[in-house]
Amino acid sequence: KAGVTQTPRYLIKTRGQQVTLSCSPISGHRSVSWYQQTPGQGLQFLFEYFSETQRNKGNFPGRFSGRQFSNSRSEMNVSTLELGDSALYLCASSLTGGENEQFFGPGTRLTVL
Amino acid sequence: QKEVEQNSGPLSVPEGAIASLNCTYSDRGSQSFFWYRQYSGKSPELIMFIYSNGDKEDGRFTAQLNKASQYVSLLIRDSQPSDSATYLCAVNLYTGRRALTFGSGTRLQVQP
Repeated sequence: KAGVTQTPRYLIKTRGQQVTLSCSPISGHRSVSWYQQTPGQGLQFLFEYFSETQRNKGNFPGRFSGRQFSNSRSEMNVSTLELGDSALYLCASSLTGGENEQFFGPGTRLTVL
Repeated sequence: QKEVEQNSGPLSVPEGAIASLNCTYSDRGSQSFFWYRQYSGKSPELIMFIYSNGDKEDGRFTAQLNKASQYVSLLIRDSQPSDSATYLCAVNLYTGRRALTFGSGTRLQVQP
C-alpha cells in the first residue's frame, strides 16, 4: 500500500508571496492533518480535514488555510509569506480521524527569503 | 505547564542497554498515547500506541502508562545505534479537540 505523498518536497519563496502544498493520503484514509515543524516550536497542529470538512484548527493566523477534495487529497495554502513561515510542513493521514494513529508524509521544506 | 512534556535530552545509552523515554501529559482524562521516531531530516514514523486500558509490547519496544502520575514511557530493549533518533510522544488530550498534541521530543543517542 502506498504511503502518504507530499509535493513539492522543497520550496523557496520570498516574503509576500503565497504557496500551495499538496498531500495525498494513504488509500482509504479520509482524514488529513497538517503540521508545521520548526526547531524552536516543534510539531504544531495546523488543521485537520475529514471527508472534505475542516474538523479542527490550531492556533495559526488566517493566512494559513486548507481544503480537501472528494478523493481525500488535501492542499494547504499560505498567503503573504513571512520569514517565520520557514519550516517543514508535514501532513498526516488517518483512517479514523486526527485523534487516532496518524501516518506522516515526507514533508515539504519551505524556505522564505 | 506544557500539555505534553518531554526531556529534550540527549539521552545517551550504550549499545545493548535499555533506553527509557518518558512523557508527561497535563490532562488526566487522556485516553490514547502515541510514540513516533524521527530521524534527522526525515518525517515522524509511528512506532506504537497504547490506550488507557493497558501497556503494550512490540518486539524490542514497550509502552507503559502510569495514569496516576500522568506519564507514559517507551522502553527500548537491546538498544542499537540505529535507534539513535528523536522520539516524539503524542497524546489525544481529553479536551474535546480531536487532534494529537505532540511533545517536543527526546533525542536518543545509542553509543556503539
